[in-house]
Amino acid sequence: GQNIDQPTEMTATEGAIVQINCTYQTSGFNGLFWYQQHAGEAPTFLSYNVLDGLEEKGRFSSFLSRSKGYSYLLLKELQMKDSASYLCAALDSNYQLIWGAGTKLIIKP
Amino acid sequence: IAGITQAPTSQILAAGRRMTLRCTQDMRHNAMYWYRQDLGLGLRLIHYSNTAGTTGKGEVPDGYSVSRANTDDFPLTLASAVPSQTSVYFCASSEVGTGELFFGEGSRLTVL
Repeated sequence: GQNIDQPTEMTATEGAIVQINCTYQTSGFNGLFWYQQHAGEAPTFLSYNVLDGLEEKGRFSSFLSRSKGYSYLLLKELQMKDSASYLCAALDSNYQLIWGAGTKLIIKP
Repeated sequence: IAGITQAPTSQILAAGRRMTLRCTQDMRHNAMYWYRQDLGLGLRLIHYSNTAGTTGKGEVPDGYSVSRANTDDFPLTLASAVPSQTSVYFCASSEVGTGELFFGEGSRLTVL
């Protein structure tokens, strides 16, 4: 079956760095996506990886290892506004997104 | 502002009633999707459409129907609502074959 695993909740301190891990098992693979979702709002696209390695976009970076079925989202210089859920999703061989349940990130002052 | 518009944003509905959630996009995306999001379960795909005139079933299609008469509109209908359909519903669109989805603001539906 197809499956995405990510931690349910994480807590970090303002100004610090946090890494949110995601493992995936899909039939075929066409990319790994991260979305941010603030409470009561819609998800918004953050990043996309299809090749192994690190993609950096400002304070956010995303890493992919296809051989390990593993990705992480790295958030640096955490701000209170980064408190949100972070959704990991993999695009399968039919180009359908398989979603994880999301990681709720709590930022403390 | 370009994007996706959903209506209504919130609705309380009696069980057994028919309900249509509306979704319109102005980005000329060929692919459109309906998801439901429940606490602890993440996003679950209900139905999708890769082009006007075609639709497909997602992970949880039972009790829901969709139509795609044109590129811009993708309504979701609950023929006879049941309490288990209480959820937040998100419409989304994308270019076909990509995972970069653009979401509407969501419709919070409560079935009593």
